[in-house]
Amino acid sequence: AQTVTQSQPEMSVQEAETVTLSCTYDTSESNYYLFWYKQPPSRQMILVIRQEAYKQQNATENRFSVNFQKAAKSFSLKISDSQLGDTAMYFCAFMKGGSQGNLIFGKGTKLSVKP
Amino acid sequence: NAGVMQNPRHLVRRRGQEARLRCSPMKGHSHVYWYRQLPEEGLKFMVYLQKENIIDESGMPKERFSAEFPKEGPSILRIQQVVRGDSAAYFCASSHQTSGHSYNEQFFGPGTRLTVL
Repeated sequence: AQTVTQSQPEMSVQEAETVTLSCTYDTSESNYYLFWYKQPPSRQMILVIRQEAYKQQNATENRFSVNFQKAAKSFSLKISDSQLGDTAMYFCAFMKGGSQGNLIFGKGTKLSVKP
Repeated sequence: NAGVMQNPRHLVRRRGQEARLRCSPMKGHSHVYWYRQLPEEGLKFMVYLQKENIIDESGMPKERFSAEFPKEGPSILRIQQVVRGDSAAYFCASSHQTSGHSYNEQFFGPGTRLTVL
């Protein structure tokens, strides 16, 4: 069975600074996908970034980038130039590849961006 | 193009009553997933459905919970004889069916917050 672990329940960062959220996972699958979702106070789940396990290059979306270490089963999210609107819960998630699989989520990290 | 719709957004039930949660997938999407989020937790998968078929219900409690996705109309998650422990946010997501792809993004609805008194 796959598991996703986020070891930081809460983090805070000053506006304009950089913050890194940690995520580790456990799987015996070779084909899979990893995601970071943002859940602001509105509770809407928003996809931030996605990484295919077969790609060595780390995914980047504007101010958001990941550090994907496949051998270590680590998938951290870096947010650069943090903005007040980045304040939210952030969930790391895993999906098995090759089918219309379900997502397996970590428990989340609550990020507060301070002015 | 409307996103995934869920209603009601908030639902209050007394212990022993039934709760019906509805999910209308995005236009053109034939796959629906239901997830439950308990307070201070991540989302947990419950059930995956295609039109008129349950594909995977491994995350759904065996008793009191059922789900359907009829040929016409929204997907329904039904909870019979609710208990306080059912209080949670229930999220629906939908995705495309595209042959040859190993991944299709799941788009989430805004969730239904169920409170059991």
